[in-house]
Amino acid sequence: DQQVKQNSPSLSVQEGRISILNCDYTNSMFDYFLWYKKYPAEGPTFLISISSIKDKNEDGRFTVFLNKSAKHLSLHIVPSQPGDSAVYFCAASGTGAQKLVFGQGTRLTINP
Amino acid sequence: EAGVAQSPRYKIIEKRQSVAFWCNPISGHATLYWYQQILGQGPKLLIQFQNNGVVDDSQLPKDRFSAERLKGVDSTLKIQPAKLEDSAVYLCASSFRQGVDTQYFGPGTRLTVL
Repeated sequence: DQQVKQNSPSLSVQEGRISILNCDYTNSMFDYFLWYKKYPAEGPTFLISISSIKDKNEDGRFTVFLNKSAKHLSLHIVPSQPGDSAVYFCAASGTGAQKLVFGQGTRLTINP
Repeated sequence: EAGVAQSPRYKIIEKRQSVAFWCNPISGHATLYWYQQILGQGPKLLIQFQNNGVVDDSQLPKDRFSAERLKGVDSTLKIQPAKLEDSAVYLCASSFRQGVDTQYFGPGTRLTVL
């Protein structure tokens, strides 16, 4: 039972343009959502998070949007830079369970 | 600040052999996690420790996997005997406290079972 889904295995974007990564979840008990970034041969690193009481959180070039009614969140990167090329994981947790449930990841490639 | 350390980085074994992985979390982090990441999938939590006590091991295959965190610092994850489907990257993470606190991941150990 895949509770967190990233339906796009890969995404290719031109440098300087906007990258939009999407994530859907099925568990209505999830109330905290995170994005992690992973380079090859390294562990995932925390990027940005959002609580269910918000619908948007921004940190520099990165913005996460949450649509609770649609059980959907997205990560916007603008402008995209070559160093953003990595695998991005969406993760979610609920207040009670607390453990993180990860999506399958989306490989983002930024082309010069 | 030193990050989460893991060793070995790579391990190749034959099925039915045993293997152990080691993790040293960030100093002062009370919560430690072990994840299994199979190729093409996201990390899956195997076990979570709070200090030296187990908080969640619901997804740990206890017939072959075991983990301990003696003295509430370092941790080891063992697989005995290994199966082909155990081939994966094993990630260790730590956080200052449990809950929504940011988890910091180590580089992982890539296990190949032949």
